[in-house]
Amino acid sequence: QSVLTQPPSVSAAPGQKVTISCSGSTSNIGNNYVSWYQQLPGTAPKLLIYDNDKRPSGIPDRFSGSKSGTSATLGITGLQTGDEADYYCGTWDNSLSGGVFGGGTKLTVL
Amino acid sequence: EVQVVESGGGLVHPGGSLRLSCAPSGFIVSSNYMSWVRQAPGKGLEWVSVIYSDGKTFYADSVKGRFTISRDNSKNTVYLQMNSLRVEDSAVYYCARGGQWRRGSLYFDYWGQGILVTVSS
Repeated sequence: QSVLTQPPSVSAAPGQKVTISCSGSTSNIGNNYVSWYQQLPGTAPKLLIYDNDKRPSGIPDRFSGSKSGTSATLGITGLQTGDEADYYCGTWDNSLSGGVFGGGTKLTVL
Repeated sequence: EVQVVESGGGLVHPGGSLRLSCAPSGFIVSSNYMSWVRQAPGKGLEWVSVIYSDGKTFYADSVKGRFTISRDNSKNTVYLQMNSLRVEDSAVYYCARGGQWRRGSLYFDYWGQGILVTVSS
């Protein structure tokens, strides 16, 4: 049971837009910054978004992040088959005094 | 170029010990916070531990009292000493570099390829 809640799976057609939600509480998302990671099959996670809505260099602007209250959202526009992967949100949890991740969301591009 | 390389994984019996090493290139470990994150087969990511530039360390409840994260600045290496290993500790362990520190922010901009730890009798 993950501290942060993500939908197990989402799907959309190529070229479309998809959003992935990440729900937490005031001890984590509500008072800290959220990051998002993409994990392609058989590879290490890759940072997509940090501090809620910032993209590292090299990450296309098709990927966006936002936060409102105790929830965060990852948006992906112009879906490509290469976007098929598992996506994770993460943050710090003040009550646990540690990092936490969501359970992950599998994106299928139909 | 920044690279993160883990070593030291393998097969160990329940109750045994193992020490993982993380020897990055392209940056100084003491200038960044560093974390270990693990992923059991077919499961999601689980944060394990972090060591900050000032030496402060934090652990997930699941490993507290059994795992120790440390750093050797002379070798530019971070370690994860794992004692009293359990079957449920079996996972791929990733070493990850923390991004720019600010209060309330925990994110990882560079990850190693991961090292497999199997705990089995």
